[in-house]
Amino acid sequence: TQLLEQSPQFLSIQEGENLTVYCNSSSVFSSLQWYRQEPGEGPVLLVTVVTGGEVKKLKRLTFQFGDARKDSSLHITAAQPGDTGLYLCAGGPDQTGANNLFFGTGTRLTVIP
Amino acid sequence: NAGVMQNPRHLVRRRGQEARLRCSPMKGHSHVYWYRQLPEEGLKFMVYLQKENIIDESGMPKERFSAEFPKEGPSILRIQQVVRGDSAAYFCASSPLGTSARRNKQETQYFGPGTRLLVL
Repeated sequence: TQLLEQSPQFLSIQEGENLTVYCNSSSVFSSLQWYRQEPGEGPVLLVTVVTGGEVKKLKRLTFQFGDARKDSSLHITAAQPGDTGLYLCAGGPDQTGANNLFFGTGTRLTVIP
Repeated sequence: NAGVMQNPRHLVRRRGQEARLRCSPMKGHSHVYWYRQLPEEGLKFMVYLQKENIIDESGMPKERFSAEFPKEGPSILRIQQVVRGDSAAYFCASSPLGTSARRNKQETQYFGPGTRLLVL
């Protein structure tokens, strides 16, 4: 079973602070996605990274894919209350060619106004 | 262009009853994935279907669970004789093409809002 571990599991910060969420795996993935999930809703895709070492920016969010394509990080600059939510990383396909996404354990972020 | 639709959004069943969860993929998408999210856990893959075919059901429990994606109509995830441990959020995702390591490409999966199943 592939396992993507995210850290921290819970994070509560003040508005305006910076934060970094980590996603680590023992497996190599062809690509890795980051999703955000609001309560009562499905995950919404934020970004896909496919190349080892790749960095993508989405406004105040910066995503990085590790050189070995086993880990990724999400950095948020000047967090806002609207950033509150559950952040999930997901990898796939893996080396076995599995057709599904393997999801991380999630980081629940709360930004306090 | 409507997104992935799931219904019902909430479903309450008593132990032993059947639960039917429906998923209509995005227009033009012929690949459907079902995931289950247990309370305080991440999403776990259950089954991957293409029209009229089950491609990968490695994540499906061996008993009581089945899935189909007919030529016409939505994909159906069916749970027979539900037990309390089946209480979870069930998400469907669709993509225009399937995932293939040979193509070294992960097709974007678009998720529906989920069906929250509660078994009493």
